[in-house]
Amino acid sequence: GAGVSQSPSNKVTEKGKDVELRCDPISGHTALYWYRQSLGQGLEFLIYFQGNSAPDKSGLPSDRFSAERTGGSVSTLTIQRTQQEDSAVYLCASSLGQGFETQYFGPGTRLLVL
Amino acid sequence: AQSVSQHNHHVILSEAASLELGCNYSYGGTVNLFWYVQYPGQHLQLLLKYFSGDPLVKGIKGFEAEFIKSKFSFNLRKPSVQWSDTAEYFCAVNAGAAGNKLTFGGGTRVLVKP
Repeated sequence: GAGVSQSPSNKVTEKGKDVELRCDPISGHTALYWYRQSLGQGLEFLIYFQGNSAPDKSGLPSDRFSAERTGGSVSTLTIQRTQQEDSAVYLCASSLGQGFETQYFGPGTRLLVL
Repeated sequence: AQSVSQHNHHVILSEAASLELGCNYSYGGTVNLFWYVQYPGQHLQLLLKYFSGDPLVKGIKGFEAEFIKSKFSFNLRKPSVQWSDTAEYFCAVNAGAAGNKLTFGGGTRVLVKP
């Protein structure tokens, strides 16, 4: 079946602009995660959605970062007033959400802030 | 807070050599352990996982890992590597107190020379 998809694949933006990154999880997966992969920080957790519960936002690095998940499916990660240090690959993952189980990752969005 | 350490950042070896990548974590309670692999130009894929039961876990492509609770370790092994095993390998943990989010090690880049 179809895996996790993310768009765009690549995004180049200017410092100070806002960007939106999209994630389509695997159909039927109720849990959705965002991670960031950068040279200096490795792979870091950002935010986690589980069904209709309040999201776990404990990994968001600043209030410029926010995420939504509409209808329990598609999620959008928004970065406002982008900074050069936001340059990274943003990864989305999903899982069945019934406990601690395997997370399946998408291909990522490579963000470059000039 | 939980943390994961991968001691080798880069490993270079020849085809048919044996591979062992170290992974140690810090968390005293029940953990779920994962090894993910990222081949060049591809997204993160699950190699193997440990949730409970037999501490010796077998994964795809001939990889295995052993969970040693007393050492807080989950080392990855392959008896005979191939050129196609060239990739970056990530150890990851999720633990009850941290919810479902994964904490990743820094990754180990493995280069297999033909």
